[in-house]
Amino acid sequence: GQQLNQSPQSMFIQEGEDVSMNCTSSSIFNTWLWYKQDPGEGPVLLIALYKAGELTSNGRLTAQFGITRKDSFLNISASIPSDVGIYFCAGQLDSGAGSYQLTFGKGTKLSVIP
Amino acid sequence: DAGITQSPRYKITETGRQVTLMCHQTWSHSYMFWYRQDLGHGLRLIYYSAAADITDKGEVPDGYVVSRSKTENFPLTLESATRSQTSVYFCASSDWGTYNEQFFGPGTRLTVL
Repeated sequence: GQQLNQSPQSMFIQEGEDVSMNCTSSSIFNTWLWYKQDPGEGPVLLIALYKAGELTSNGRLTAQFGITRKDSFLNISASIPSDVGIYFCAGQLDSGAGSYQLTFGKGTKLSVIP
Repeated sequence: DAGITQSPRYKITETGRQVTLMCHQTWSHSYMFWYRQDLGHGLRLIYYSAAADITDKGEVPDGYVVSRSKTENFPLTLESATRSQTSVYFCASSDWGTYNEQFFGPGTRLTVL
């Protein structure tokens, strides 16, 4: 199947710092999504991107759909303790039959030091 | 306002037993999905359904069976559980017009001894 490379795998930051993470693929995706998962819970959708170059914000979170359509970026500004969790990127390639599948990255584990 | 629920939340079973994981959504979403989450592999799609009575295989369907007789329910059955099926299972749903935007349930942690 398709592979999504998500980096970094983990990061430790001080409260108040900005965070950046990204997701890349060797294939072109028509949709990029970013999810957050708290321990013991299911992933929660943060941002969905549908157009190359699109920049979308959700509070302190900003995500971008890369111009090449092979990457996406998520930034978190002024991190707070509740930002702790695992962030997943997901992409979808519209390829006709069976195109409802999302491919997920392996996640970025974020730890915030108060 | 339940959204999407899964039951049971935790299950321990033995190798060879049949196990059914339940998923129920109250949004009348057309699409429903089953994923498994394992360390080192992330989320992998097992099966999905575009509507009642329409199901299709995902990336890792072997050893699993699904059905969807009603829009709101999408049970996942492990016909003869194996230790390699020990995992956390997530159900998700999405609406017709925004099928990419999947909403996940809380998960079922399954241990096969």
